[in-house]
Amino acid sequence: DAGITQSPRHKVTETGTPVTLRCHQTENHRYMYWYRQDPGHGLRLIHYSYGVKDTDKGEVSDGYSVSRSKTEDFLLTLESATSSQTSVYFCAISFGQGGSEAFFGQGTRLTVV
Amino acid sequence: GESVGLHLPTLSVQEGDNSIINCAYSNSASDYFIWYKQESGKGPQFIIDIRSNMDKRQGQRVTVLLNKTVKHLSLQIAATQPGDSAVYFCAEKASGYSSASKIIFGSGTRLSIRP
Repeated sequence: DAGITQSPRHKVTETGTPVTLRCHQTENHRYMYWYRQDPGHGLRLIHYSYGVKDTDKGEVSDGYSVSRSKTEDFLLTLESATSSQTSVYFCAISFGQGGSEAFFGQGTRLTVV
Repeated sequence: GESVGLHLPTLSVQEGDNSIINCAYSNSASDYFIWYKQESGKGPQFIIDIRSNMDKRQGQRVTVLLNKTVKHLSLQIAATQPGDSAVYFCAEKASGYSSASKIIFGSGTRLSIRP
């Protein structure tokens, strides 16, 4: 998986609790992305980062925040988890300039009960 | 706004035949159009991309066609094999250093292979 590790791989949490998902890369790629994937939907971009401390919103950013304090780690936080945030979350990395190839992690299955 | 969509949610193909998966896009400012393959339980895997200034690009058993006039993208898989069974996503990306580098995905087409 091109040096991408997502943790945890599975998590069950209660409504209203904060949750943080971690994406760690060993490729020194500049760009990192968080997506969610739900049945009947493709991958929807939540937030992405184009450098340390440089982040921007994607298509479905409400209820999520991110942080990137170093190149290798991109954290996704659900401020107060809701059942609608039950999903599979994928992290991706990309070198960026001169190409479009992105490498994806194995995904984190999050269930909010 | 930006959107990338797919014409068909499912496609069933006889093993050995060619497969054609179609996609429509609306953002003419994108620099790259990309195809990803996702197998069950895994993250998407890059297949091939095409720059917006090209109309055709070939890879190993795959060809991507871009028609900018009608904003249409297609993926052709030659001699489809059982291992090609997956969900295929089209995506688009703008080049640039900062916020233009987001990758937006379409909703996906499931390809199934008949023996």
